[in-house]
Amino acid sequence: QTVVTQEPSLSVSPGGTVTITCGLRSDSVSGTDYPTWYQQTAGQAPRMLIHSTDTRSSGVPDRFSGSILGNKAALTITGAQADDESDYYCVLCPGGGNWVFGGGTKLTVL
Amino acid sequence: QVQLVESGGGVVQPGGSLRLSCAVSGFPLTTYGAHWVRQAPGKGLEWVAFIRYDGNKYSADSLRGRFTISRDTSKNTVFLQMNSLRGEDTAVYYCTKTSYCKSITCPLGYYYMDVWGKGTTVTVAS
Repeated sequence: QTVVTQEPSLSVSPGGTVTITCGLRSDSVSGTDYPTWYQQTAGQAPRMLIHSTDTRSSGVPDRFSGSILGNKAALTITGAQADDESDYYCVLCPGGGNWVFGGGTKLTVL
Repeated sequence: QVQLVESGGGVVQPGGSLRLSCAVSGFPLTTYGAHWVRQAPGKGLEWVAFIRYDGNKYSADSLRGRFTISRDTSKNTVFLQMNSLRGEDTAVYYCTKTSYCKSITCPLGYYYMDVWGKGTTVTVAS
């Protein structure tokens, strides 16, 4: 069973930088896993931020960026704002027609 | 513009069945795929099933045999048939459009979930 890991919670100061990671318990994440990142605020449907590791979705501010850091996918927010306080999810497709979400990261901006 | 509207949720007893619908507009299902993703109360997102532009289907191992995805391209609607429902199936069920890649050589991972509906709530309880 594929398990995708994320930090359960993180905090960042307004204007600061934070990185959320997305790993595989038993392997390294690569571009062929097509890491995709979503932001979800309370009571709302998720919104796609980044797809295919590092491609920003239309209308997403450029303070959001995606990358591979070491053996994990990463979402970095540079210059965090108060309304970035949300839950963030990554999803990987490590092959075989199976998509696996990470457990989500609750980001607090304080 | 692209829109997905889920319906068919409600309260169902354990062991019962339910069919969810997702009416899509702004894109043809013969060109784009669709996923179902669910979220239990207070929990994270869980992928349920995917139907590709050519009708090929994929579903989560843990749900295969109970949940089936299908579509009616003439009605631009995607369905999720859910059988033998259990309490742990209680969730908001979202329908999503996928990115465009109309070739059988496209890696499956390229069919990411780019636009989401608002979801429909399923409650399994006696």
